[in-house]
Amino acid sequence: QKEVEQNSGPLSVPEGAIASLNCTYSDRGSQSFFWYRQYSGKSPELIMFIYSNGDKEDGRFTAQLNKASQYVSLLIRDSQPSDSATYLCAGDSGNTGKLIFGQGTTLQVKP
Amino acid sequence: DAGVIQSPRHEVTEMGQEVTLRCKPISGHDYLFWYRQTMMRGLELLIYFNNNVPIDDSGMPEDRFSAKMPNASFSTLKIQPSEPRDSAVYFCAINRRGQETQYFGPGTRLLVL
Repeated sequence: QKEVEQNSGPLSVPEGAIASLNCTYSDRGSQSFFWYRQYSGKSPELIMFIYSNGDKEDGRFTAQLNKASQYVSLLIRDSQPSDSATYLCAGDSGNTGKLIFGQGTTLQVKP
Repeated sequence: DAGVIQSPRHEVTEMGQEVTLRCKPISGHDYLFWYRQTMMRGLELLIYFNNNVPIDDSGMPEDRFSAKMPNASFSTLKIQPSEPRDSAVYFCAINRRGQETQYFGPGTRLLVL
């Protein structure tokens, strides 16, 4: 069964620190990976997607993909209390059109 | 909730009642997905459609659940009869044509007493 695994946390970091969120996946056929942020009581919203090995940066966010290790990560620099949320990692499932979601990691940024 | 309207936003009902959740994508899409989210089980894919045709309903918990997509602008998820264990947030999501990224609606928070 194709799976995406995340540590549920909570991951607690002080304001201004770098938060590192990690994700592993089982399906070697997965090519695209997505990070969603979900605030309590809200719907998941897309932060970033990554297709290629290496790093992809967008503002304070950096997504990293290592297909050989089947590992995806999200780094948040200069963490703010407003970054406190649950972060969901997802990978595509071949050409099925669907995404496989992890359970999510709860991030707490303490002032 | 980019491009997806869900109704109702909140629903409280009693066990045994029929519940109908609605989703209206307002932008072009290839796929439409129904998810359920609980603290215990996380985000679960229930069923998804491609060009209004159901592709995979293996996530539907049991026969009490059914979903339809009569046209590209409307889909329903029905639970009949409802049970307390169906209490969850139900999300509808779409992906825009040619993209893999999914965009979620605001969700329907269902409480079955």
